[in-house]
Amino acid sequence: DSGVTQTPKHLITATGQRVTLRCSPRSGDLSVYWYQQSLDQGLQFLIHYYNGEERAKGNILERFSAQQFPDLHSELNLSSLELGDSALYFCASSVVEGEQYFGPGTRLTVT
Amino acid sequence: DQQVKQNSPSLSVQEGRISILNCDYTNSMFDYFLWYKKYPAEGPTFLISISSIKDKNEDGRFTVFLNKSAKHLSLHIVPSQPGDSAVYFCAAVRPYTGNQFYFGTGTSLTVIP
Repeated sequence: DSGVTQTPKHLITATGQRVTLRCSPRSGDLSVYWYQQSLDQGLQFLIHYYNGEERAKGNILERFSAQQFPDLHSELNLSSLELGDSALYFCASSVVEGEQYFGPGTRLTVT
Repeated sequence: DQQVKQNSPSLSVQEGRISILNCDYTNSMFDYFLWYKKYPAEGPTFLISISSIKDKNEDGRFTVFLNKSAKHLSLHIVPSQPGDSAVYFCAAVRPYTGNQFYFGTGTSLTVIP
């Protein structure tokens, strides 16, 4: 158990819909990272938040957004969903630098 | 633009033998490298790391080698055990990027009993 929690574990929704994925980092970790893993792909970095502020953006679509709240949990919002958005979404947390600790992931299926 | 590459999608090894997983990178600015292991239905878990100032780091059965001139790192598992069967990802970090990881596409290791 990494100490990072993600909800929900599975999510099935239709194209055009909007969903919110939630992540709670390890106690004491200020950084939260979001990754997308599509079929046969590595983990693609989406976005990084540190103590409530956006620090870096990766390959994140404009239809996707995220935020980190004062209690340090983070949400990833995916809107106008397309079939190609079906993937595993992981969040990870870290103190400042060094290894990131990953949650179990949310499997999103868009039908 | 895949800056970190794992060219072998899968690898099978007999129990007790050595497993060697390879990773290549293109960006010479990377200064920290990590290996993660991932079981199905779980998130990746940290395995071992190496700083660019070193060429080898060892932790029990796991050793990571870094060849900066070739922009290549490898993970050696000796001896391999069936419980090592998982997908292994290498990751690289550049300085001053807020700890942003660049991951490879993973190598699925199967250790045959």
